[in-house]
Amino acid sequence: NAGVTQTPKFRVLKTGQSMTLLCAQDMNHEYMYWYRQDPGMGLRLIHYSVGEGTTAKGEVPDGYNVSRLKKQNFLLGLESAAPSQTSVYFCASSYSGRTLTDGYTFGSGTRLTVV
Amino acid sequence: AQKVTQAQTEISVVEKEDVTLDCVYETRDTTYYLFWYKQPPSGELVFLIRRNSFDEQNEISGRYSWNFQKSTSSFNFTITASQVVDSAVYFCALSPRRTYNFNKFYFGSGTKLNVKP
Repeated sequence: NAGVTQTPKFRVLKTGQSMTLLCAQDMNHEYMYWYRQDPGMGLRLIHYSVGEGTTAKGEVPDGYNVSRLKKQNFLLGLESAAPSQTSVYFCASSYSGRTLTDGYTFGSGTRLTVV
Repeated sequence: AQKVTQAQTEISVVEKEDVTLDCVYETRDTTYYLFWYKQPPSGELVFLIRRNSFDEQNEISGRYSWNFQKSTSSFNFTITASQVVDSAVYFCALSPRRTYNFNKFYFGSGTKLNVKP
């Protein structure tokens, strides 16, 4: 099925460990986004990409890095995980950033716990 | 400033009751989009509706209806004859239209709806 696929779905990390979350979309979307969802705070934008080879910071970029080497993939990295990064991470994509006919297409989320 | 407020943190109703989820937004932009998303217990985010700021017509889709009022900066969502399957967290989101940059989303904090049988 076409859509946005996130891997892994769950992960537990120890403080200081690193990891990469993978987001893949097969809809030929130009724009991709990483959000984190925390209780009572809705979704907050971490980083986004407006096309292959581009990345930009969102609202809460500190502690994260991203890469968009291929159009269909958007990677989110945590270099040194901290308990404050315990959250649910959502990847999303859209065909265009200017005309959102149906909003985003979201992945199913990655639940990350840092202990 | 751009902001979306969903003052209702959690609502519980009994099946077949009608329920309205409130959404109030702030923006200085004259052109913008408003969205509602549903997040069921399984966790994914499901798009429900998009409205643009020039279209204040109310919309009905089955048991769902949306009331957009620019005068009060509100975009409320009503579920008629609620069902247990409607139990989810519902997010309202604002996206100001930009001609030079992408449309960023501003999400509310969500309203958790519990529909009891």
